[in-house]
Amino acid sequence: DIQMTQSPASLSASLGETVTIECRASEDIYNGLAWYQQKPGKSPQLLIYNANSLHTGVPSRFSGSGSGTQYSLKINSLQSEDVASYFCQQYYDYPYTFGAGTKLELK
Amino acid sequence: EVQLVESGGGLVQPGRSMKLSCAASGFTFNNYDMAWVCQAPKKGLEWVATISYDGSSTYYRDSVKGRFTISRDNAKSTLYLQMDSLRSEDTATYYCARGAAVDYWGQGVMVTVSS
Repeated sequence: DIQMTQSPASLSASLGETVTIECRASEDIYNGLAWYQQKPGKSPQLLIYNANSLHTGVPSRFSGSGSGTQYSLKINSLQSEDVASYFCQQYYDYPYTFGAGTKLELK
Repeated sequence: EVQLVESGGGLVQPGRSMKLSCAASGFTFNNYDMAWVCQAPKKGLEWVATISYDGSSTYYRDSVKGRFTISRDNAKSTLYLQMDSLRSEDTATYYCARGAAVDYWGQGVMVTVSS
């Protein structure tokens, strides 16, 4: 199975700041990577697919990058509504696997 | 508007069975692979199973192989998850999900396995 190591586990940032969350795969996943946002008590929402493609309706302050085994999610100009947990997921090979998540809070 | 509405959750004793359903609307159901993803209380997301758009292929995480069965009825635009020999560690919210990079999620249904 492909292991997804996500960091950091938690993150505290100020409004307007830029934050970066990273995911490392245990083998090359050829950009088969998605990023999700989940707010408490809600279903996850897709932000990024294919490592760097912005899902419809997602604000442009979110961006994804990376290749091979290393991927990252960047949030520019942090807004209060971005407080949430974020998860990466590889869908290059079965079984699909998720990172453990990053809890983003406001400082 | 795409909608995925799960049903069938609740409290079940260890070793018993439960069947989840997901009614899909707002898109051409038989054009999409579908999946179940679960989330234990206060924990992260875990992919459970995927079924191809035509039902010809299915994939499972190791911990549910031989116990869970994913299926679909394209005429009814409905996805199913038959869960047998349930264990306490299966306790989670189960989400119906569209696609590999999941662009639509259901609201989730809670399954609690406890005596």
